Amino acid sequence: NAGVTQTPKFQVLKTGQSMTLQCAQDMNHNSMYWYRQDPGMGLRLIYYSASEGTTDKGEVPNGYNVSRLNKREFSLRLESAAPSQTSVYFCASTITSGTYNEQFFGPGTRLTVL
Amino acid sequence: DAKTTQPTSMDCAEGRAANLPCNHSTISGNEYVYWYRQIHSQGPQYIIHGLKNNETNEMASLIITEDRKSSTLILPHATLRDTAVYYCIVRVASGGYQKVTFGTGTKLQVIP
Repeated sequence: NAGVTQTPKFQVLKTGQSMTLQCAQDMNHNSMYWYRQDPGMGLRLIYYSASEGTTDKGEVPNGYNVSRLNKREFSLRLESAAPSQTSVYFCASTITSGTYNEQFFGPGTRLTVL
Repeated sequence: DAKTTQPTSMDCAEGRAANLPCNHSTISGNEYVYWYRQIHSQGPQYIIHGLKNNETNEMASLIITEDRKSSTLILPHATLRDTAVYYCIVRVASGGYQKVTFGTGTKLQVIP
């Protein structure tokens, strides 16, 4: 049981390049999320997927697109990277059981846009 | 989700109890208090949650005031590995989807 996995761990892009961040969970969770975290800041929600086949914008969606490929996978795409998108990106999924609701986070992808 | 306020930073001596406060004065009756922590550069990790009763698990204790407007996370015997940013969050516990707002948290430094 690997939990939430993210690839790649590190990436350097030039301005204008595109890339896709991959996220997968093997816990059969319905909800998945993408956050970004800038230095010294809290997590900010980019996009989320409440269930397979649905996606919605979070606090900071501009410049990003997402795909919920199936229940396991939720990818984040940067179509034309900008230096302002330099950040650490975390994927998460949520389990809910009665009153228990916990988010499980991946290890993060550290992205630098030059 | 209700807004929470936490001190920006705290220090604690190794082996002593770390008491991390959180104010959530606008919490609704169906919202739970959750605590997560983020150890340097890693993804946040769940610690504990509660509604109105005090809770304890292997990691920490959670004390919620009777009016539920504030809470305290207690790490009973802080170690150097507890140095992290601690986030207090309030959220509804039911349902599958949960939009969670993480603030900037409290940076806890455990000092040898």
